[in-house]
Amino acid sequence: GAVVSQHPSWVICKSGTSVKIECRSLDFQATTMFWYRQFPKQSLMLMATSNEGSKATYEQGVEKDKFLINHASLTLSTLTVTSAHPEDSSFYICSARKGGGAGGYEQYFGPGTRLTVT
Amino acid sequence: AQSVTQLGSHVSVSEGALVLLRCNYSSSVPPYLFWYVQYPNQGLQLLLKYTTGATLVKGINGFEAEFKKSETSFHLTKPSAHMSDAAEYFCAVLTDSWGKLQFGAGTQVVVTP
Repeated sequence: GAVVSQHPSWVICKSGTSVKIECRSLDFQATTMFWYRQFPKQSLMLMATSNEGSKATYEQGVEKDKFLINHASLTLSTLTVTSAHPEDSSFYICSARKGGGAGGYEQYFGPGTRLTVT
Repeated sequence: AQSVTQLGSHVSVSEGALVLLRCNYSSSVPPYLFWYVQYPNQGLQLLLKYTTGATLVKGINGFEAEFKKSETSFHLTKPSAHMSDAAEYFCAVLTDSWGKLQFGAGTQVVVTP
């Protein structure tokens, strides 16, 4: 299998505080991990791509100083929402790519983290 | 640049009826295409993928999709809908060598008894 976990599954925090979300590939090494944001009834919006040991590549319009991504190992990536505000409330989903080569491009998704900023 | 368009944001089918979800792509290179399903408050699960080779691709839960280059389409079908098929379905195309995907807007499937 290819299982990706996220922790926490939901979190409520006060405005101005920081929140860290973990994404782990449990049974495979992930060469690349992705972070998405999803608003209700909408598609996934890619925030950034991260590769182990290197800086994340952020999509246009995503504030890299606000959404800190650390890909510390081949099985762990973290997203930290710094100085969170109510508009950061959303469903955050991570995914991991299993490996390269032809046909190895599918992403395996975590269950998502519901962030509510009050 | 690669992109996908899903026709119909909302599809309602009767239990036992054919499920047809439409996806058209735009790509300057031979596309790698994917269908994912998302249940409420969950992540996405891969249904099937097309990379190269056979154009009719079979996936999990009885779904299949056919890659038609002449029509730039990758429609998803299931012969007989089940109540458990009620979910959001996303078509996606690979956009770079890192594995980045471009998702369609999604199609919400409702299954009625």
